Amino acid sequence: EDKVVQSPLSLVVHEGDTVTLNCSYEVTNFRSLLWYKQEKKAPTFLFMLTSSGIEKKSGRLSSILDKKELSSILNITATQTGDSAIYLCAVESRTGNQFYFGTGTSLTVIP
Amino acid sequence: GAGVSQSPSNKVTEKGKDVELRCDPISGHTALYWYRQRLGQGLEFLIYFQGNSAPDKSGLPSDRFSAERTGESVSTLTIQRTQQEDSAVYLCASSLIVGGEQYFGPGTRLTVT
Repeated sequence: EDKVVQSPLSLVVHEGDTVTLNCSYEVTNFRSLLWYKQEKKAPTFLFMLTSSGIEKKSGRLSSILDKKELSSILNITATQTGDSAIYLCAVESRTGNQFYFGTGTSLTVIP
Repeated sequence: GAGVSQSPSNKVTEKGKDVELRCDPISGHTALYWYRQRLGQGLEFLIYFQGNSAPDKSGLPSDRFSAERTGESVSTLTIQRTQQEDSAVYLCASSLIVGGEQYFGPGTRLTVT
């Protein structure tokens, strides 16, 4: 059964901390892995990863894919209260062009 | 069922035809969301339902799009007079409450020729 699992389910940190969010997957015929930030109802796209070992970076956020380990991490450095959100990981399969989403990691950053 | 299901998984239609996409949420989930994901782009919010409240239609891209939900169960997204730019994966998600963790279905890939 294809699935995406994220950990931890929730996380509470202080401003300035660095966090690492994990996403592991078992998806047939992998095409890409995507990270989203969801604050209200519509997730915001962060990264799309297709190649293993190549870090993608945007400001304080970075992500890398490990196809051998079937996983990805999302790092956030120097966290701010505005980083509080649910972070979603999704994997696209070439089989039927389907998407599989994890249930997300809820991050709370306290001042 | 254990998760959110959507049907059909793939749909190819001719420009100008109407299509209807179906979403079965997780039983007991009061909130249901529809999203669109075009190739290489992020999720685009379309509409969400919360219980018996009037749906938030602010994300619908045009009046050709409409959606219905029967109580807290099945939802259908209808696209009338389809255009090529409607080609995308249409994703449905449900959550226990609005703002809670969303569980996504596998999506319906729509191709308009």
